[in-house]
Amino acid sequence: AQRVTQPEKLLSVFKGAPVELKCNYSYSGSPELFWYVQYSRQRLQLLLRHISRESIKGFTADLNKGETSFHLKKPFAQEEDSAMYYCATQGGSEKLVFGKGTKLTVNP
Amino acid sequence: DTGVSQDPRHKITKRGQNVTFRCDPISEHNRLYWYRQTLGQGPEFLTYFQNEAQLEKSRLLSDRFSAERPKGSFSTLEIQRTEQGDSAMYLCASSFSTNQETQYFGPGTRLLVL
Repeated sequence: AQRVTQPEKLLSVFKGAPVELKCNYSYSGSPELFWYVQYSRQRLQLLLRHISRESIKGFTADLNKGETSFHLKKPFAQEEDSAMYYCATQGGSEKLVFGKGTKLTVNP
Repeated sequence: DTGVSQDPRHKITKRGQNVTFRCDPISEHNRLYWYRQTLGQGPEFLTYFQNEAQLEKSRLLSDRFSAERPKGSFSTLEIQRTEQGDSAMYLCASSFSTNQETQYFGPGTRLLVL
């Protein structure tokens, strides 16, 4: 069965500091991996996905198959990055399997 | 707004009552998904449709839950004989029908069962 683990429930950094949100997955095949973000009072929206290899809002995520990780990184956090971040996998089915999420707070 | 819409946005009901939620997907999208999210958790998959066909259902979806998409456009999710444990945010998403397409989420319906 697919499983996604986001070990940090809360993460707090200062503006301009690097940020890394961790995500580990378990799946026997080769899943597609996503990061979704939910800003305050907004709907869940796609931030980035592995297959597109894009950098969105300065965020990147690298798939490490050996460590089964897909950590989200940004070199210089901004206050507007404060939000809930969810890692998700999709493999063998069209359903998304989400982690529990990490609440990122970027302090001024 | 051409995104996924859900109605109502909030619902308060008493235990034992039936409730029905509606989801209108993005118009070109063939696939429609329902998820449930409880406090402190990520969204959990309930079911999905391709056009009017219900292709997958989670074991989370008890017999009290039923979803329909009769004309392949909007969908309804009904919960019969609600229980306090049904209190959650119910999310709808839609996508194109090619494999692993991005799912676009609606604002959700927040259900509170008293």
